[in-house]
Amino acid sequence: QQQVKQSPQSLIVQKGGISIINCAYENTAFDYFPWYQQFPGKGPALLIAIRPDVSEKKEGRFTISFNKSAKQFSLHIMDSQPGDSATYFCAASVYGNKLVFGAGTILRVKS
Amino acid sequence: DVKVTQSSRYLVKRTGEKVFLECVQDMDHENMFWYRQDPGLGLRLIYFSYDVKMKEKGDIPEGYSVSREKKERFSLILESASTNQTSMYLCASTHQGGIGGELFFGEGSRLTVL
Repeated sequence: QQQVKQSPQSLIVQKGGISIINCAYENTAFDYFPWYQQFPGKGPALLIAIRPDVSEKKEGRFTISFNKSAKQFSLHIMDSQPGDSATYFCAASVYGNKLVFGAGTILRVKS
Repeated sequence: DVKVTQSSRYLVKRTGEKVFLECVQDMDHENMFWYRQDPGLGLRLIYFSYDVKMKEKGDIPEGYSVSREKKERFSLILESASTNQTSMYLCASTHQGGIGGELFFGEGSRLTVL
């Protein structure tokens, strides 16, 4: 049973476009929602994270939007660049407990 | 710069062989983890350890065991490798109290079992 459902499985975006990846969760006790970015041949690395007391967090071109009532959160990549091509994982946890990861989204940005 | 090192990047083993995957971190982290990464399934937790000689089962521990004799080293053991254990294995670590926080990952060990 997957506690965090991620979509789409893969995504192709034109350079300069907006990439959007969505995640939905079931456990209302989750209070920490990070996104990890993984380049080919590398391990995942923390990209950006949010707690449910805010609805949005922005770091450069990357924004997390959080909808507590819908139990959904999403990653938006503005002005997508070929260097953003990677696999993106959403995750969730009750802070202090282990992370539960989504299935991953393979993003390809076409130049 | 923080570092988690997985000594074997690529391994090819035969069914029934015993396999050791080694992981070393240089950040003095208390917590260490082994994940398995498969396409369409994301990262699934096999085992984790929050202290030397301590271990906890994750979501998919069957067919695996672990060893943590030193704080910086966490080993994953496949007692008798099977073809369904062909996968990418990722080691990660985090500081005490940060189990739900930022994980630092190694570059992975890709295991093929023939």
